[in-house]
Amino acid sequence: DTAVSQTPKYLVTQMGNDKSIKCEQNLGHDTMYWYKQDSKKFLKIMFSYNNKELIINETVPNRFSPKSPDKAHLNLHINSLELGDSAVYFCASSLGTINEQFFGPGTRLTVL
Amino acid sequence: DAKTTQPNSMESNEEEPVHLPCNHSTISGTDYIHWYRQLPSQGPEYVIHGLTSNVNNRMASLAIAEDRKSSTLILHRATLRDAAVYYCILSQRAGAGSYQLTFGKGTKLSVIP
Repeated sequence: DTAVSQTPKYLVTQMGNDKSIKCEQNLGHDTMYWYKQDSKKFLKIMFSYNNKELIINETVPNRFSPKSPDKAHLNLHINSLELGDSAVYFCASSLGTINEQFFGPGTRLTVL
Repeated sequence: DAKTTQPNSMESNEEEPVHLPCNHSTISGTDYIHWYRQLPSQGPEYVIHGLTSNVNNRMASLAIAEDRKSSTLILHRATLRDAAVYYCILSQRAGAGSYQLTFGKGTKLSVIP
């Protein structure tokens, strides 16, 4: 039983393409997050949603658009992919009243 | 953003205790101190967190200085599986149910058999 799952695990694509990464959690959590870990291994928060409402929206290009169809899912759509978007993207979830985030296994995005 | 300072790397012998230090001199009264770790090729994993008092759980102990400007993560008996990058993080409440974790560089812990 995977708590936080992401698909795909690996994504290789050309510059200029549009791609989506999906995230699902079966923990009954009400808050979900997207993080980006670059080649230098720095992990940065991108977005968070609580009960489908956008809460955190860090300085991220407009090409990145999160979508939360329900509390258990938070997808990340990226338009016009650039070389600098290559990174590992992690989804995470938490229960609002509990200060602990559960992370997914990550999606390694490579833009050629 | 509140910042933390950790040593880049540490080594420990297997089955010995490990003390991972963290300085956070700019901590504010509402910041929680979190520790996460990241094993190779995996997502970060929650270890422990605290506000003012020392905390214990099945994975580790967290010792928080009285002035809260520093803390120490204690692994009581290091195993090979504990080799990971350990992140000390100050979390701020970002709004309805969201906590913002700002990751630093972390400490890479190596465990020697």
